[in-house]
Amino acid sequence: EVQLVQSGAEVKKPGESLKISCKGSGYSFTSYWIGWVRQMPGKGLEWMGIIYPGDSDTRYSPSFQGQVTISADKSISTAYLQWSSLKASDTAMYYCARLRLRYLDYWGQGTLVTVSS
Amino acid sequence: DIVMTQTPLSLSVTPGQPASISCKSSQSLLHSDGKTYLYWYLQKPGQPPQLLIYEVSNRFSGVPDRFSGSGSGTDFTLKISRVEAEDVGVYYCMQSIQLPPAFGPGTKVDIK
Repeated sequence: EVQLVQSGAEVKKPGESLKISCKGSGYSFTSYWIGWVRQMPGKGLEWMGIIYPGDSDTRYSPSFQGQVTISADKSISTAYLQWSSLKASDTAMYYCARLRLRYLDYWGQGTLVTVSS
Repeated sequence: DIVMTQTPLSLSVTPGQPASISCKSSQSLLHSDGKTYLYWYLQKPGQPPQLLIYEVSNRFSGVPDRFSGSGSGTDFTLKISRVEAEDVGVYYCMQSIQLPPAFGPGTKVDIK
């Protein structure tokens, strides 16, 4: 069974750094891209970027380029999304999902990030 | 960038009745490889999105056959033949012919 399990909810202050994770199982982790999607409170879905864990090839949506860093450690089947300096506007639910061909088929449960002073 | 629009943005349906959601793209989603890169997702309350339909009309594994997708080019439709209580949530269409992929604004479906 394909599963993506994300790390737990985080509460941070503006300016702090953060790295959240997404662990894949039940399939060949290095053979599929992993995507990250943001959902701000009460809002829709926004595609942030993707990474191919096999070689760490990474592509960012223009809106998120330079704002976040996507990485992966294939030895532990885990992808990451990180911020070096959080802003209140980063408060959102973040989902990872497996990319099959050109669509996201299996999703993680989501990680809620709250940034507040 | 391709812009996705959906109508209506909200829909209240009596159980057992049909429902239909329209999705339009600002550019054709038909690729030169012959595939049309249009997908439908349902996000139930408090849950991550789940894939319903891929490439316009193909139901994903485990999706009930009351869900169907149709359309071509820039105009697409998701139909639910008989709405059930478990179908409540927000429905999103998504294009991926162009990167980055883009989701529509969502259509919220609830039960009367």
